[in-house]
Amino acid sequence: KAGVTQTPRYLIKTRGQQVTLSCSPISGHRSVSWYQQTPGQGLQFLFEYFSETQRNKGNFPGRFSGRQFSNSRSEMNVSTLELGDSALYLCASTAADRGYYEQYFGPGTRLTVT
Amino acid sequence: GNSVTQMEGPVTLSEEAFLTINCTYTATGYPSLFWYVQYPGEGLQLLLKATKADDKGSNKGFEATYRKETTSFHLEKGSVQVSDSAVYFCALTNTGTASKLTFGTGTRLQVTL
Repeated sequence: KAGVTQTPRYLIKTRGQQVTLSCSPISGHRSVSWYQQTPGQGLQFLFEYFSETQRNKGNFPGRFSGRQFSNSRSEMNVSTLELGDSALYLCASTAADRGYYEQYFGPGTRLTVT
Repeated sequence: GNSVTQMEGPVTLSEEAFLTINCTYTATGYPSLFWYVQYPGEGLQLLLKATKADDKGSNKGFEATYRKETTSFHLEKGSVQVSDSAVYFCALTNTGTASKLTFGTGTRLQVTL
């Protein structure tokens, strides 16, 4: 079974631009979560989508948004990029819709904002 | 809210040494606890888990026991290998937000020959 895939793997953008990152979950997984990893703040939860609906949200500004498609693929968008948005963005998918979750992570997209 | 505290790294050990990485947590209710590992240039891999008090998670020679009385989930391995060099993250999820992992800051382990 193929793992979680994320595209692109690397991205360089300029301040003020916007960016869209993509995540394809493991086949059959309906939940996709996004995390931001930075040296200063560590790993922080952005949001989770389940069946095309945002189910949980972390403490990030509205510039960070996401969506999920009917095939469970998810995208996250960051508008008006700031230097501090440089990070590794990880997505994770899970199979269960309630109870205990085992999350499977993709390799991440490394975003550099200049 | 939920929080996870891990010992600071980096931890440098010789091959075959004993490893302990401390992890304590703050959470209401009955969280599930996890250890994830991140190798250079890769995403996170689940190493082991425990979903209730006194459970012991184990995998690849690593172990951790869910201690509710001390709110701890320390990671141990009896004999580390060079290939264990990575960053280790302790994490938890809680009832009602089971998809949201709260992570510790990570502990870098370097194992030398």
